[in-house]
Amino acid sequence: GIQVEQSPPDLILQEGANSTLRCNFSDSVNNLQWFHQNPWGQLINLFYIPSGTKQNGRLSATTVATERYSLLYISSSQTTDSGVYFCLYGGATNKLIFGTGTLLAVQP
Amino acid sequence: NAGVTQTPKFQVLKTGQSMTLQCAQDMNHEYMSWYRQDPGMGLRLIHYSVGAGITDQGEVPNGYNVSRSTTEDFPLRLLSAAPSQTSVYFCASGPPLYEQYFGPGTRLTVT
Repeated sequence: GIQVEQSPPDLILQEGANSTLRCNFSDSVNNLQWFHQNPWGQLINLFYIPSGTKQNGRLSATTVATERYSLLYISSSQTTDSGVYFCLYGGATNKLIFGTGTLLAVQP
Repeated sequence: NAGVTQTPKFQVLKTGQSMTLQCAQDMNHEYMSWYRQDPGMGLRLIHYSVGAGITDQGEVPNGYNVSRSTTEDFPLRLLSAAPSQTSVYFCASGPPLYEQYFGPGTRLTVT
């Protein structure tokens, strides 16, 4: 089946640091989203990005469909960025599959 | 728009009991789906629907039934609850192959 792997699985940063989270998928992509799951469990939409690059404030994302990966960049991290980051992948079928997640802890 | 709503927020069941988790959306989205998230784990797809009258299985469909009689509603039924179904359940909706929006989740405990 389709594999959607995220790296790193865990990340600890000091406030103000930058980070790059990666989502690898094993087949062609039609749908790619990034979510932040906050400490209360809520899934927050960050980006819908099946291809290309988008930026929203301190966050940006890039999907390289030909290379089968997507990156989420967090700059000048804040403690409120802590939580789990998931990518959600959709390929040739109608199934949307979550990646394995990256647990981010930003320390003051 | 209320977005995606889920009821109840919390539920405790005894093994063998049945229940229905409700999911509704008011955005006229064709695609709806259910995921479960076990403690400390990622989200896994249970069932999904591409429109009224059409449902299909996801990664972990066993023990769950769904139906889609209207565009707005996509209930998830547990016919005979088991402790292994203790989880947080998320419902989502969106246009097919486009941005999906998630509900707040239902926390289910089966004792």
